[in-house]
Amino acid sequence: QVQLVQSGAEVKRPGASVKVSCKASGYTFSSYFIHWVRQAPGQGLEWMGIINPGGGTTNYAQKLQGRVTMTRDTSTSTVYMELSSLRFEDTAVYYCARPLYGGDNLDLQHWGQGTLVTVSS
Amino acid sequence: QSVLTQPPSASGTPGQRVTISCSGSTSNIGRNNVYWYQQLPGTAPKLLIYRNNERPSGVPDRFSGSTSGTSASLAISGLRSEDEADYYCAAWDDGLSGRGWVFGGGTKLTVL
Repeated sequence: QVQLVQSGAEVKRPGASVKVSCKASGYTFSSYFIHWVRQAPGQGLEWMGIINPGGGTTNYAQKLQGRVTMTRDTSTSTVYMELSSLRFEDTAVYYCARPLYGGDNLDLQHWGQGTLVTVSS
Repeated sequence: QSVLTQPPSASGTPGQRVTISCSGSTSNIGRNNVYWYQQLPGTAPKLLIYRNNERPSGVPDRFSGSTSGTSASLAISGLRSEDEADYYCAAWDDGLSGRGWVFGGGTKLTVL
């Protein structure tokens, strides 16, 4: 079955960077895009960006341009999301998610368990 | 301030039909598909509706989606206690503020 397993919780200082991993299994890794979505405590969902594991191409939310980088390692079926210059407002649960069908749509059927990133001084 | 506007709360009694609205613009709902998610406390979101009105396998037909112009709605019929959750709409936005996926602010549904 499709599984997305994310790395564990992180605590970072303001200005630091964090890199969250999302290991995929149960399907052909290169055939499905991966989205990243975050949720600040008590707040709604925010789309961060998307990566095509097949070719490595990315598309980021304009708000995060310049601070977010998504990469993939096809040898381990893992995608990574790195966020730099962390601010207190980046404290959130970060999710990776895979669409139901191939393509870059938001039919996100499969989700990782979420990774809590806390930015604290 | 979310690009897509949802009421912060909604409520209903068991067995009732409730609808949750999602208001957008011509740059998102007006010309792109709408998606709906359900989120139970402490869990990842769950896909309820995709491409405006399609349900993934396993989602009961009590849940239905529709669109009209620049607005979308999620209807839940035969309300059940387990439907108490947060609901989010989403759509692709290709307006002047930049292209990307946008979510509504979420609606907390309470089953009375």
